[in-house]
Amino acid sequence: NAGVTQTPKFRVLKTGQSMTLLCAQDMNHEYMYWYRQDPGMGLRLIHYSVGEGTTAKGEVPDGYNVSRLKKQNFLLGLESAAPSQTSVYFCASSPTGAGYTEAFFGQGTRLTVV
Amino acid sequence: GENVEQHPSTLSVQEGDSAVIKCTYSDSASNYFPWYKQELGKRPQLIIDIRSNVGEKKDQRIAVTLNKTAKHFSLHITETQPEDSAVYFCAAGRSGGKSTFGDGTTLTVKP
Repeated sequence: NAGVTQTPKFRVLKTGQSMTLLCAQDMNHEYMYWYRQDPGMGLRLIHYSVGEGTTAKGEVPDGYNVSRLKKQNFLLGLESAAPSQTSVYFCASSPTGAGYTEAFFGQGTRLTVV
Repeated sequence: GENVEQHPSTLSVQEGDSAVIKCTYSDSASNYFPWYKQELGKRPQLIIDIRSNVGEKKDQRIAVTLNKTAKHFSLHITETQPEDSAVYFCAAGRSGGKSTFGDGTTLTVKP
């Protein structure tokens, strides 16, 4: 099993450009999450999904959109990138909700916005 | 919402010593408390977790204790080794909800 896979691993964007980060999981998990990790600030939840076709806002949703058209995929979109969105992004999945069970993380995407 | 505070932010110990990281949480309904380890450049991975119906859990050199009344829980690592050097995150959550993470502790084990 691959677990949770993120694409791409690295990306440099110019301010105002758009991009989509893809997260794929092969564990048949219901819940999926997108976090951003900044130095000294831990993991902050951007958006999450409790099942196919559902999405919800986390702590820091502004400037991001998400979609979960298929159970195994969770996409994170940046419509107009800003330097403040420079960060490492982690996708995670869990079978019954990360508030109750282990979350499995992808390898991360390092995004730089110049 | 839930608020999780983690201390210290950095911790340096000599190899063989013990390390303790403490977290407090605000939501008394939280009942799941995982700890994740993140090595440099890698993804966070679960190392141990505890549920609110248990006061202590141990797995070889690592243990977690939970005080529900005081709303705090701690990670204890004994006989530390250089490979224990990493960032450790605590989290708190509850059934049907999401986990809220602490800001992390950078542990350095000096050989």
